[in-house]
Amino acid sequence: DQQVKQNSPSLSVQEGRISILNCDYTNSMFDYFLWYKKYPAEGPTFLISISSIKDKNEDGRFTVFLNKSAKHLSLHIVPSQPGDSAVYFCAADTNAGKSTFGDGTTLTVKP
Amino acid sequence: ETGVTQSPTHLIKTRGQQVTLRCSSQSGHNTVSWYQQALGQGPQFIFQYYREEENGRGNFPPRFSGLQFPNYSSELNVNALELDDSALYLCASSAGQRSGANVLTFGAGSRLTVL
Repeated sequence: DQQVKQNSPSLSVQEGRISILNCDYTNSMFDYFLWYKKYPAEGPTFLISISSIKDKNEDGRFTVFLNKSAKHLSLHIVPSQPGDSAVYFCAADTNAGKSTFGDGTTLTVKP
Repeated sequence: ETGVTQSPTHLIKTRGQQVTLRCSSQSGHNTVSWYQQALGQGPQFIFQYYREEENGRGNFPPRFSGLQFPNYSSELNVNALELDDSALYLCASSAGQRSGANVLTFGAGSRLTVL
């Protein structure tokens, strides 16, 4: 039973346009949601997070939206740049400090 | 500030053997978590160590064990290796605070191949 799902294995967008990466979850006890970015041969790096009591968090070009009633969150990247090409993981925390990850979405930004 | 370092980066073992993977935490972090990432999947939580004690465990059998040392570095040991243990093993450290998101700092991983 996968508690965090990223249903799109890949996404391709043009440079300068918006990238929207989606994530669904099933566990109502998650209290924080995080996005990580992973380049080949490197570990995932933290990008942005959102508390379960918020519906939006913004950091520069990156915005995460949370819809608790739908158990859905999304990461928006505007404008997308070729350097954003990477695998993006959605993760969710419980207060036990254990993070549950989705299977990732590979984003390709074309120049 | 040094990040998380893992060793070895790659290794090949045969079924039934044992393996030890090592991890040095980021400076200032007192909590270490280990994750297994199979090909095409996301990281799966193995266990977490805080103050040298296991502090949570995922769905992994007892042949997966670990240690955390006083300097917060850590080891992951896997006994009786099986073919399905072939994966990227990621170590992540964190500050262990419980206010705010549990932001993990990952190492680059150890790629284990079991033949």
